[in-house]
Amino acid sequence: AQSVTQPDIHITVSEGASLELRCNYSYGATPYLFWYVQSPGQGLQLLLKYFSGDTLVQGIKGFEAEFKRSQSSFNLRKPSVHWSDAAEYFCAVARYGGSQGNLIFGKGTKLSVKP
Amino acid sequence: DAGVIQSPRHEVTEMGQEVTLRCKPISGHDYLFWYRQTMMRGLELLIYFNNNVPIDDSGMPEDRFSAKMPNASFSTLKIQPSEPRDSAVYFCASRITGGAEGYTFGSGTRLTVV
Repeated sequence: AQSVTQPDIHITVSEGASLELRCNYSYGATPYLFWYVQSPGQGLQLLLKYFSGDTLVQGIKGFEAEFKRSQSSFNLRKPSVHWSDAAEYFCAVARYGGSQGNLIFGKGTKLSVKP
Repeated sequence: DAGVIQSPRHEVTEMGQEVTLRCKPISGHDYLFWYRQTMMRGLELLIYFNNNVPIDDSGMPEDRFSAKMPNASFSTLKIQPSEPRDSAVYFCASRITGGAEGYTFGSGTRLTVV
């Protein structure tokens, strides 16, 4: 069965520092992968997605993610973190592998940003 | 479009009472999902609909939970009777077949059962 693992529950970075949030997935075929961000008291907002093609995908708010099939990973990165990036980040894989599949979410990584 | 609209934003109820959560999906979206978010279990899919028809309710925790979608613009999630362990944030999301943007989530309903 498909699953998503986000090994880091909580990460703290300094403002202006680079960021990498880890995501590993379990799926037998080509996965459809997503990153969402959730600000306190809010719903989830799509940051970026990977369906096929270029393995480095660009998203909103300066985020990018790289799909690495050999490592079953889809890590989220940002070169310079802003205080407004403090939020919880969720990686997700589409169940059944298609873009139409239901999303299976990881447990999330909470990002804190130090001034 | 106003996005996915959920009501109420907060609900506090006593154990044993009936609770109804409401969701209005984005116009034109043909899929609607109900998720529950807790600290312990994260985001869990409860049920989803396609063209108002329930497709998979295997995530509904027990018979106390029920969901309906009487038309394309409205869905409810009902808990009867409610229990303290039902306390969570309940999200509704919608998407369109073939849409490249994935899901659009509502702001959620924070349910507290005391």
